[in-house]
Amino acid sequence: ETGVTQTPRHLVMGMTNKKSLKCEQHLGHNAMYWYKQSAKKPLELMFVYNFKEQTENNSVPSRFSPECPNSSHLFLHLHTLQPEDSALYLCASSGQDYGYTFGSGTRLTVV
Amino acid sequence: GEDVEQSLFLSVREGDSSVINCTYTDSSSTYLYWYKQEPGAGLQLLTYIFSNMDMKQDQRLTVLLNKKDKHLSLRIADTQTGDSAIYFCADSAGTYNTDKLIFGTGTRLQVFP
Repeated sequence: ETGVTQTPRHLVMGMTNKKSLKCEQHLGHNAMYWYKQSAKKPLELMFVYNFKEQTENNSVPSRFSPECPNSSHLFLHLHTLQPEDSALYLCASSGQDYGYTFGSGTRLTVV
Repeated sequence: GEDVEQSLFLSVREGDSSVINCTYTDSSSTYLYWYKQEPGAGLQLLTYIFSNMDMKQDQRLTVLLNKKDKHLSLRIADTQTGDSAIYFCADSAGTYNTDKLIFGTGTRLQVFP
């Protein structure tokens, strides 16, 4: 258990569906992040939240919509996705310690 | 923007040393990190080095930093099959350790008997 929990672990969705990814941490961290991991590409930073406020949106398409209701929870709402959005979506958090703590990720397949 | 580059694959024999290399472009980096990702898992922090250091050793792991060339390496001594994983180099794009991390593509290390 890494301290950052992501659900679901696997998700298959059609292009017209709406689904949400959830991330939860109880490490007392104040910052949370969404990353996208695709094969043979660098991890792509998508969104950054600091004390519930979004501080970075890395030119992510609007079909991805983040939500951070409090410092412990982070959501990624998905709608009308494309097959190229299939990837591993990783959540991470950080606080006063060095580096980030990552969750195990959600493996998303868009069909 | 900032960029971090790594080779994609490395294959070593069990018991040998592995050296994974990384180059980065951000000259203001204050911390550089190595993460390990095992199959089906997220990234696990292995070690980090502050930019005013040139070497850090932690058990079987040795990190070397050449700040002039913007080159970072991770050496794993006596590599074991359990070390097979993807290793990511990351650069903290800012002056604080919690600033956003820029990752490379990851290097897949395969250890064979």
